[in-house]
Amino acid sequence: DAGVIQSPRHEVTEMGQEVTLRCKPISGHDYLFWYRQTMMQGLELLVYFNNKAVMDDSGMPKDRFSAKMPNASFSTLKIQPSEPRDSAVYFCASTLRGLGSGNTIYFGEGSWLTVV
Amino acid sequence: ILNVEQSPQSLHVQEGDSTNFTCSFPSSNFYALHWYRWETAKSPEALFVMTLNGDEKKKGRISATLNTKEGYSYLYIKGSQPEDSATYLCAPRRQTGANNLFFGTGTRLTVIP
Repeated sequence: DAGVIQSPRHEVTEMGQEVTLRCKPISGHDYLFWYRQTMMQGLELLVYFNNKAVMDDSGMPKDRFSAKMPNASFSTLKIQPSEPRDSAVYFCASTLRGLGSGNTIYFGEGSWLTVV
Repeated sequence: ILNVEQSPQSLHVQEGDSTNFTCSFPSSNFYALHWYRWETAKSPEALFVMTLNGDEKKKGRISATLNTKEGYSYLYIKGSQPEDSATYLCAPRRQTGANNLFFGTGTRLTVIP
């Protein structure tokens, strides 16, 4: 079965440029998460969706970040303008029916972003 | 946001050694604790989901225990192998009903052949 698919896997961009990260969750999963992994903060939650609706985006810097889920099988995370401090690994993850009853979340392989 | 602490931050062991590390979290409103294993350039992989005080889970040479009253969990690896080299992440979930996990910064394990 296909897991969570992310693209691009690696991106190097110049400061000020727009970056768009893409995610396809596991088919049928109704929750989608965007996490960011940095050396200092570890894995931090940026935003998550349930049935395409934003449930919590309190971890996302709203001045430059935006997240959308136009349909059940696709989500984007956009950074505009990008800054060097945005350099990190961005993970997308999904799960079915949330985290009750011992459910876990399934991660993609991450998008490695470097802003120079 | 939950204050989750993992120790040590990094660890080097010889192949064949057994090792363990700790995850500490607030004990109030506890619902579940998730353990993940992350090899660089791969997807973080779920190891265990633990919910009950005193719970013990095992997967091959890896096992974990949970103390919800004092707010900690131990992860043990018996007879470490080079393929166990990875970052081990824990993430508690509270009873608030929110469907998100707050991860610790992880313990990075390197097993030396």
